[in-house]
Amino acid sequence: GQNIDQPTEMTATEGAIVQINCTYQTSGFNGLFWYQQHAGEAPTFLSYNVLDGLEEKGRFSSFLSRSKGYSYLLLKELQMKDSASYLCAARNNAGNMLTFGGGTRLMVKP
Amino acid sequence: SQTIHQWPATLVQPVGSPLSLECTVEGTSNPNLYWYRQAAGRGLQLLFYSVGIGQISSEVPQNLSASRPQDRQFILSSKKLLLSDSGFYLCAWSLGTGGMTGNTIYFGEGSWLTVV
Repeated sequence: GQNIDQPTEMTATEGAIVQINCTYQTSGFNGLFWYQQHAGEAPTFLSYNVLDGLEEKGRFSSFLSRSKGYSYLLLKELQMKDSASYLCAARNNAGNMLTFGGGTRLMVKP
Repeated sequence: SQTIHQWPATLVQPVGSPLSLECTVEGTSNPNLYWYRQAAGRGLQLLFYSVGIGQISSEVPQNLSASRPQDRQFILSSKKLLLSDSGFYLCAWSLGTGGMTGNTIYFGEGSWLTVV
């Protein structure tokens, strides 16, 4: 099975940087995904890591350490519209399923 | 480009009534299809996934069922709804072939179900 842990809530200020951590324990692992979900809407894909290291996409970056079972999502130059839940998900060995964490609700304040 | 649609967007059903949520994917062939449920303020729980027509795998025991009558159609059903079935139901798809990013899962708009 797979166990995904991430903080329930975080608060940050507009213009700042925030790091959302995710740890996972899996019996098989083949990639780590981050999704953004605004209240009442479906999740949208943000990033994907399968190798150790940092992947950068504009204001968002995602990091993975397979040996530590650890990932983080880094959001720079926070904007009010970044207020949302951020879901960490681990892909299984077969590559056909994602197991999601409970999500981190990020509140960006002026 | 690929698109995914599910309906209805919202529904209110009495306890004991049947349920049918439908999902279709366009622009791809032989996708993997998924049904997830999200209870209020909680994470996504995988209910069913399918790798082909008539092939359904269930992840959790429940009074729901899924069917895939056509390659790009996925249906979630129940004969008798329970109060605990209330939630946000999400259909999703990924490419059937593998590859580094071939299995990114993309979600439909979601269906809000309230059982009263």
